[in-house]
Amino acid sequence: EAGVTQFPSHSVIEKGQTVTLRCDPISGHDNLYWYRRVMGKEIKFLLHFVKESKQDESGMPNNRFLAERTGGTYSTLKVQPAELEDSGVYFCASSQAPTGVGTEAFFGQGTRLTVV
Amino acid sequence: GENVEQHPSTLSVQEGDSAVIKCTYSDSASNYFPWYKQELGKRPQLIIDIRSNVGEKKDQRIAVTLNKTAKHFSLHITETQPEDSAVYFCAASKNTGNQFYFGTGTSLTVIP
Repeated sequence: EAGVTQFPSHSVIEKGQTVTLRCDPISGHDNLYWYRRVMGKEIKFLLHFVKESKQDESGMPNNRFLAERTGGTYSTLKVQPAELEDSGVYFCASSQAPTGVGTEAFFGQGTRLTVV
Repeated sequence: GENVEQHPSTLSVQEGDSAVIKCTYSDSASNYFPWYKQELGKRPQLIIDIRSNVGEKKDQRIAVTLNKTAKHFSLHITETQPEDSAVYFCAASKNTGNQFYFGTGTSLTVIP
């Protein structure tokens, strides 16, 4: 089966610009997660969708980050305006059931965002 | 909230030797502990997991142990091979949550 796909694989933008990351989960997976790894640190949770609804967005750093999942299929994560500290690798993951109950999460390859 | 610590951050072993990566967690309610392997340029992939009602789990050359009392779990790789070279992440989650709490990762290099 097709895995989780993320676009773009790499993005370099200037501070103050806007960037939109996209994630296509595995077909049929209602649960979609966004995570971020800042250089050398842990992979940190950003938010969780169940279908089109935000189940938990407690990890979103601030209101410059906006995630959407219209129609409950693909998701986008927009950063506007981007700051230097937003640089990192953004991962998307999907699962059939919420991962809190011990369900495997399937990850995309990530988008490496560099803000200069 | 949960805090997962992972050690070491880098590890080099000779091919054929064993590698051990250790993680600790803080929330006693955590009950599921997956390990993900990320090869260079690829996606993180689940390699093994363990639930809190089990003390050890093996899958060929890979094993994971869990000590609930001490709140730590470890990944053991025996007879390491160059293709084991990757970054390994431990994680913890619990029934009442939605997310994984990850460690900071261990970069394992297996020297041929």
